Amino acid sequence: AQSVTQLDSHVSVSEGTPVLLRCNYSSSYSPSLFWYVQHPNKGLQLLLKYTSAATLVKGINGFEAEFKKSETSFHLTKPSAHMSDAAEYFCVVSPLSGGYNKLIFGAGTRLAVHP
Amino acid sequence: ETGVTQSPTHLIKTRGQQVTLRCSSQSGHNTVSWYQQALGQGPQFIFQYYREEENGRGNFPPRFSGLQFPNYSSELNVNALELDDSALYLCASSRDGGGYEQYFGPGTRLTVT
Repeated sequence: AQSVTQLDSHVSVSEGTPVLLRCNYSSSYSPSLFWYVQHPNKGLQLLLKYTSAATLVKGINGFEAEFKKSETSFHLTKPSAHMSDAAEYFCVVSPLSGGYNKLIFGAGTRLAVHP
Repeated sequence: ETGVTQSPTHLIKTRGQQVTLRCSSQSGHNTVSWYQQALGQGPQFIFQYYREEENGRGNFPPRFSGLQFPNYSSELNVNALELDDSALYLCASSRDGGGYEQYFGPGTRLTVT
């Protein structure tokens, strides 16, 4: 079965410092992986996706993630946090089984950014 | 390009009632997926519709049902509402069933009392 584990439920950083949100996945084959962001009372916005091309994936707003098969990880990073980055972040795997692409979400990591 | 829209934004229902939520897919998308997000949790897949047929289903009881129309908009119906059905219901649209990223609407907040 496919699953994702987000290793931190809460991460707190100061504005201008690096961000690291950790995600491990479980999959019997090479999956599609995504990071989504959810601001308060908003829907989900796609940050970036990995679909077996380059292992370092660049997304919107300066975020990037690296797919490491040997570690079954897909951690999200950003060199310098901005106050507007405060939100809930979800690591997502798409098993592409049975001809349809349901998304399996992690429990989420709440990112707080302090001045 | 019009994004995914959902209606209503908020809804309050009583236990045992029935509810219908609506979703309009993004232009050019023929696949709609529905997710339930309980407070403090990640979204859970309910089902997906592709070209007006249910294309896949998550671990939800039959009282959760749906429709997709020829213009690819969709409805989620929930019968015999329970208190645990209180959640944010998210609709996402994508192209051609499998292999493409999904774009989400703002959600409908359902409260069951």
